[in-house]
Amino acid sequence: DIQMTQSPSSLSASVGDRVTITCRASQSISSHLNWYQQKPGKAPKLLIYAASSLQSGVPSRFSGSGSGTDFTLTISSLQPEDFATYYCHQSYSTPQSFGQGTKLEIK
Amino acid sequence: EVQLVESGGVVVQPGGSLRLSCAASGFTFDDYTMHWVRQAPEKGLEWVSLITWDGGSTYYADSVKGRFTISRDNSKNSLYLQMNSLRTEDTALYYCAKDLGYRAFDIWGQGTMVTVSS
Repeated sequence: DIQMTQSPSSLSASVGDRVTITCRASQSISSHLNWYQQKPGKAPKLLIYAASSLQSGVPSRFSGSGSGTDFTLTISSLQPEDFATYYCHQSYSTPQSFGQGTKLEIK
Repeated sequence: EVQLVESGGVVVQPGGSLRLSCAASGFTFDDYTMHWVRQAPEKGLEWVSLITWDGGSTYYADSVKGRFTISRDNSKNSLYLQMNSLRTEDTALYYCAKDLGYRAFDIWGQGTMVTVSS
């Protein structure tokens, strides 16, 4: 089974900051990596699919990169509505798996 | 409006059974693979199972294999999860999710809560 490890587990940042979250797979997953945002009491929301494709309706300040085992989610300029928990997700093979999450908090 | 609505979550005793349902609307249900994902209280996301568009292939997380069965009825635009031999560690909010087609989940329901407790 493929293990997904996100770093950091939590992060404090300010509005306007540039933020990067990293996700590492225990083996190569090509570009089958997705990113989700989850706010308290809400279902997750797809941000990025196939490592770098921006989901329709998602602001362009979100971007993804990487392939193989190392991936990043970047938020270019944090907005107040971006404070949430972020998860990476590998869909390369079953069982599919998520990272443990990164909680992004206001500094 | 594209929508998924889960139902069937309740409090059940360990060893019990439960069937969750997910009603889809606003898209051509039988074009898409569908998934179940769960989230234990204050924990992260865990992929549970998937079923291909025609029900021809199903896959499961190791933690539920042999106990849970995913199915679908395309004539009713509905997805199901039959849960048997429930354990306390199955306590979670269960989401159904639509596959975008790039093996990502673009539409999620609001979730239905399953609590396994004596």
